[in-house]
Amino acid sequence: AQSVTQLDSHVSVSEGTPVLLRCNYSSSYSPSLFWYVQHPNKGLQLLLKYTSAATLVKGINGFEAEFKKSETSFHLTKPSAHMSDAAEYFCVVTAYNFGNEKLTFGTGTRLTIIP
Amino acid sequence: GAGVSQSPSNKVTEKGKDVELRCDPISGHTALYWYRQSLGQGLEFLIYFQGNSAPDKSGLPSDRFSAERTGGSVSTLTIQRTQQEDSAVYLCASSLGVVGEQYFGPGTRLTVT
Repeated sequence: AQSVTQLDSHVSVSEGTPVLLRCNYSSSYSPSLFWYVQHPNKGLQLLLKYTSAATLVKGINGFEAEFKKSETSFHLTKPSAHMSDAAEYFCVVTAYNFGNEKLTFGTGTRLTIIP
Repeated sequence: GAGVSQSPSNKVTEKGKDVELRCDPISGHTALYWYRQSLGQGLEFLIYFQGNSAPDKSGLPSDRFSAERTGGSVSTLTIQRTQQEDSAVYLCASSLGVVGEQYFGPGTRLTVT
C-alpha cells in the first residue's frame, strides 16, 4: 500500500522569497516520487522525479526536492519565487520500478505568489 | 509536436444522459491513462491502456463507466446515466511505455446538472 500527504492545501509567498511545499509519503516498497505542476487551464507537467539515485533532485524552473527516508518526506523547494510559479502542485508516489498505473497523487497544494 | 488533446474541453449534461469523452494521445505512445480530478481532491486513477488492452479496470467508479481504445491511438471514456457526483475534470495522459514520463492533456470539465 502507498499514500502521499501534502501538508498544506494552500501556500502564499511573496515574489522573490523562498518556496516550500511539503509532502510526506508512505510506501510498502522503495518508492519513486514525483512532483507535478498544473497551471490554470493547462495539463499537468512533470517538475522532477526521484527514482533511488541522488537524494537531492533538481527539476525544471529552478525547483528541487530532497528525498529523506528517515522522515518519509519529499518536500519541494525553490530559492526565489516568480509570479509564473503560481499554480497547483501535486506530490506523487509509486513503488520503485512499478509502472505509471500505480501512481498515487496527493490532494495538491495551491501556490499563490504575492507581488 | 502535438501534445495530448482532449475533447470537448467543457461538457454540461443533464442527469441521466450519457456522455463520451475523447482523448488523442501523443503519436507513438503505447500507454494511455484516464484520471478524474474532483474539486479539492487529488487525481483519482480510473483506467489505463497498454495498446488497446486495459489490464485493470478496477479503478472505474461504477459499471456506468467504460472506456475503449482503438488502433492503439484514440480513447473514449463513456459515462452512462450520468449522476451529479460524476461532475469533475477528466484528465487523459499518455506515455511511451508504462514506465515512461506521462504527458497530460488539458482535461474535459464535466458538469452534470
